[in-house]
Amino acid sequence: ETGVTQTPRHLVMGMTNKKSLKCEQHLGHNAMYWYKQSAKKPLELMFVYSLEERVENNSVPSRFSPECPNSSHLFLHLHTLQPEDSALYLCASSQEETGKETQYFGPGTRLLVL
Amino acid sequence: QKEVEQNSGPLSVPEGAIASLNCTYSDRGSQSFFWYRQYSGKSPELIMSIYSNGDKEDGRFTAQLNKASQYVSLLIRDSQPSDSATYLCALPYSGTYKYIFGTGTRLKVLA
Repeated sequence: ETGVTQTPRHLVMGMTNKKSLKCEQHLGHNAMYWYKQSAKKPLELMFVYSLEERVENNSVPSRFSPECPNSSHLFLHLHTLQPEDSALYLCASSQEETGKETQYFGPGTRLLVL
Repeated sequence: QKEVEQNSGPLSVPEGAIASLNCTYSDRGSQSFFWYRQYSGKSPELIMSIYSNGDKEDGRFTAQLNKASQYVSLLIRDSQPSDSATYLCALPYSGTYKYIFGTGTRLKVLA
């Protein structure tokens, strides 16, 4: 595997379900990100982890819970979601050190909440 | 004022023409600027990055940066139908890990 991978690619869940999204980066980066992309809205930054420490939590509802066990893996735990949470969830990674960091995105998880 | 602004389009250009995409931003401290391309249903992929005022060319793509006027643009020469996508402008807020993306400009290249 190369780059940034995400699983599952598609997910349908009910409002009472609990599920997790997984992201893995094979680039040796030290920062990882979760974004939400809804139709006709810009990419919304949700969480940032740098060196496995959360450095940004962008006023995200507590029904979204991130976890970063090491610099290569990032999870987004989901519980009691709402239909408006249906969106494309993108994971990204970068190497934070020069101030000119490029973010590389995974393929995304298309989430539908019924 | 929005932090990163782009015209949502669609911008339609004929095949072979030059497509010009523009982006303005509000943070004067921004030092790095990125253009991403996103095909429908896919994730964004990096096209160009630019850090200094002036032009930067890479194949058919040229990024232009004017920090005094707070705008960055992307020119696509000899546009192809395969260039039809949404182009996102992005920049990290100075001193933070926060990357701000514009809403994107949808480009349609007509064969």
